[in-house]
Amino acid sequence: AQKITQTQPGMFVQEKEAVTLDCTYDTSDPSYGLFWYKQPSSGEMIFLIYQGSYDQQNATEGRYSLNFQKARKSANLVISASQLGDSAMYFCAMGKDQGAQKLVFGQGTRLTINP
Amino acid sequence: NAGVTQTPKFQVLKTGQSMTLQCAQDMNHEYMSWYRQDPGMGLRLIHYSVGAGITDQGEVPNGYNVSRSTTEDFPLRLLSAAPSQTSVYFCASSIGQGGNTGELFFGEGSRLTVL
Repeated sequence: AQKITQTQPGMFVQEKEAVTLDCTYDTSDPSYGLFWYKQPSSGEMIFLIYQGSYDQQNATEGRYSLNFQKARKSANLVISASQLGDSAMYFCAMGKDQGAQKLVFGQGTRLTINP
Repeated sequence: NAGVTQTPKFQVLKTGQSMTLQCAQDMNHEYMSWYRQDPGMGLRLIHYSVGAGITDQGEVPNGYNVSRSTTEDFPLRLLSAAPSQTSVYFCASSIGQGGNTGELFFGEGSRLTVL
């Protein structure tokens, strides 16, 4: 069975600083996909970034990058130059066969950006 | 540009009542799913469908029924509501199985309270 662990219930960061949100995963499947979603206080789920298990390079999307360390089974999200609007819950998730089906989610990390 | 549409957004039920949460997507996605989100927990998969006429159980299916008669619609039925089903429900869809299917698109969520 697949499992996602996010060990940081809450993070507090000063505006403009970089922040790393931790995510470790457990799976016996060789093919999988890793996702990060943002959930602001309004409640919607916003897709941020994706990493496939066979991707050689770390994924990047604007200020977001995914630090993928396959041997350590970690997929940390790095947000550069944090902004007040980054304050939200962040969820790491995993899907089989590099796809988005049957995603398994972690418990989330609440990120607060201080001015 | 509707994406995934869920109705209703809010609902209060009494124990034992039944109801249906509606979900529709206009992106011609093969895959659709229902998640529930409880406080302090990540999203958990209730049921999913890989195409019209095909459904299967996720992690927490008890107390819920689904059907998929069309590609567009995937309703979630609560047959006899219980207080333990108080939660926020998300419908989500993606393009299909296998390989990098891109992100899972979420509806805005439906907040259900069972008294």
